[in-house]
Amino acid sequence: KNQVEQSPQSLIILEGKNCTLQCNYTVSPFSNLRWYKQDTGRGPVSLTIMTFSENTKSNGRYTATLDADTKQSSLHITASQLSDSASYICVFFQRGSGGSYIPTFGRGTSLIVHP
Amino acid sequence: GAVVSQHPSWVICKSGTSVKIECRSLDFQATTMFWYRQFPKQSLMLMATSNEGSKATYEQGVEKDKFLINHASLTLSTLTVTSAHPEDSSFYICSAEDSYTEAFFGQGTRLTVV
Repeated sequence: KNQVEQSPQSLIILEGKNCTLQCNYTVSPFSNLRWYKQDTGRGPVSLTIMTFSENTKSNGRYTATLDADTKQSSLHITASQLSDSASYICVFFQRGSGGSYIPTFGRGTSLIVHP
Repeated sequence: GAVVSQHPSWVICKSGTSVKIECRSLDFQATTMFWYRQFPKQSLMLMATSNEGSKATYEQGVEKDKFLINHASLTLSTLTVTSAHPEDSSFYICSAEDSYTEAFFGQGTRLTVV
């Protein structure tokens, strides 16, 4: 069964600090991996996208990594800001028989940045 | 990037009435749309998958007669919560994809049934 486990479940850091969120997966094979940021009461917004063959992808202060050997992905946030407080979700996409992308979601990490 | 618009952003309705939520892809043709439900501090739960012009595929445990999904065009899918009850109060999110790119999410709809 495809599973995606995220850790930690929640994290509190001080503004300006760096943090790393983890995602362990069993989804195989997959086409793409995305990390999303979801603010409370809003839909998820894509931060990074990687194909199964990529190892790292950056988007500003966000850097995602993928290790196919250990089946782990991480999202590193540098110089955190108060606006980074949100839920971060990793999602693996597989191609279905009909051609659509089938997602498997992690449960998310809730990040709180304190001043 | 691609834009998916969901409407309304929030709605309050009386118990027993029906509520329709729209999901539109604004700048691409969505061959597949997904509808999710999310409870507070929980992950998104897939309710159903809809392809343009065909019947939606519902996840196990989701009542298809209660949550009516219509994907009439390549840019519009609707979710109608029929005879809503307080336990249907939740955050509903849609996502849309075309043949090349997956999962652009709408901004979500907060449904409160009183």
